Amino acid sequence: AQSVAQPEDQVNVAEGNPLTVKCTYSVSGNPYLFWYVQYPNRGLQFLLKYITGDNLVKGSYGFEAEFNKSQTSFHLKKPSALVSDSALYFCAVRDAFSGGYNKLIFGAGTRLAVHP
Amino acid sequence: NAGVTQTPKFQVLKTGQSMTLQCAQDMNHNSMYWYRQDPGMGLRLIYYSASEGTTDKGEVPNGYNVSRLNKREFSLRLESAAPSQTSVYFCASSTPSGIGVEQFFGPGTRLTVL
Repeated sequence: AQSVAQPEDQVNVAEGNPLTVKCTYSVSGNPYLFWYVQYPNRGLQFLLKYITGDNLVKGSYGFEAEFNKSQTSFHLKKPSALVSDSALYFCAVRDAFSGGYNKLIFGAGTRLAVHP
Repeated sequence: NAGVTQTPKFQVLKTGQSMTLQCAQDMNHNSMYWYRQDPGMGLRLIYYSASEGTTDKGEVPNGYNVSRLNKREFSLRLESAAPSQTSVYFCASSTPSGIGVEQFFGPGTRLTVL
């Protein structure tokens, strides 16, 4: 079965330190992977995606993610965390059986708390 | 551009009542989606629509109906609300072309069923 796992419910980081939010996936065929962020009482905002090519993908707000095919992982990273990065982060993978559509399968989400 | 808009923002229903959640997008997207978000479960797809006049079931369609009124609007209807439908509902849209295009989300509707 296709799935996305975010093993940490919450990640705590001090401001200025690097952060990593973990994601592993299980999908048939080539994976198309996404990261979204949700600020309180807001909808999801697209951060970045991996379709093909370079394993290191750069996105909005200084975030990047590293695709690792052998470990089936797509971890989100940022070299220096800001308090304003505190939010709920979702990893998603395109459903390989969605035909011409782009149905997404989401992880449960990881809450990132950046402390001053 | 307003992007994806949803109404209402909040709603409280009694068990058995009906209501329609409205969604509209002004990005000329063909594909639209309805999700529900529950704590610890991420987002789950309820229904989606590839284009005007077509709708398909997602992962959790029971208890819901949808209408793709035109290219811009995609509504979600609860005919007889149940407490299990207490959730935050998000509408999203995307272009259909290519594989791996991102979805754009509305601000959500927080629904409580008593």
